Amino acid sequence: QKEVEQNSGPLSVPEGAIASLNCTYSDRGSQSFFWYRQYSGKSPELIMSIYSNGDKEDGRFTAQLNKASQYVSLLIRDSQPSDSATYLCAVGSSGGSYIPTFGRGTSLIVHP
Amino acid sequence: GAVVSQHPSRVICKSGTSVKIECRSLDFQATTMFWYRQFPKQSLMLMATSNEGSKATYEQGVEKDKFLINHASLTLSTLTVTSAHPEDSSFYICSASPTGPNEKLFFGSGTQLSVL
Repeated sequence: QKEVEQNSGPLSVPEGAIASLNCTYSDRGSQSFFWYRQYSGKSPELIMSIYSNGDKEDGRFTAQLNKASQYVSLLIRDSQPSDSATYLCAVGSSGGSYIPTFGRGTSLIVHP
Repeated sequence: GAVVSQHPSRVICKSGTSVKIECRSLDFQATTMFWYRQFPKQSLMLMATSNEGSKATYEQGVEKDKFLINHASLTLSTLTVTSAHPEDSSFYICSASPTGPNEKLFFGSGTQLSVL
């Protein structure tokens, strides 16, 4: 059973701070990793994808991947109240399934 | 990014009726589409994988006779909730990937189903 674990939160950070969201996964052979943002009552929206160890930056977002430790994280710099949402980590399967496995999501609250 | 369109966005129906939800990939062809269900404050739950030109693959515990899936073309999949009951009330979301297995998924806007 492939698993993707996330702390459900909520993670509360002040406006302007760095929000750090973490995700661990069990499938050692996974090669693709994704972060989605989901606002309440809306469908998930892709924020970042990462495939290689290290950091990948896109605007205020940085995804970090460490395959040896089987974790992937998302940093949000200069957090804004509009970043308040649930962040879903998804990990591609190494075999069998052809659909990424989603974590349960971490709720982020950015307070003014 | 790729665009997945889903309609209707909201539907209210009486118990015992059937509801059809459409999912279209607007700028790419999708041989495979995925249907999810999400209850309030719960995680995404994969219901089934829709395969163009063949039968859908249902996840364990999902009734195939209740949730009918048709994927008649490379850009359209439909989910029909038959004989809907109040416990079927949920947020239904479709998704597809323009780039292949275990790649980034793009989601439709979702359908909020309320069964009275």
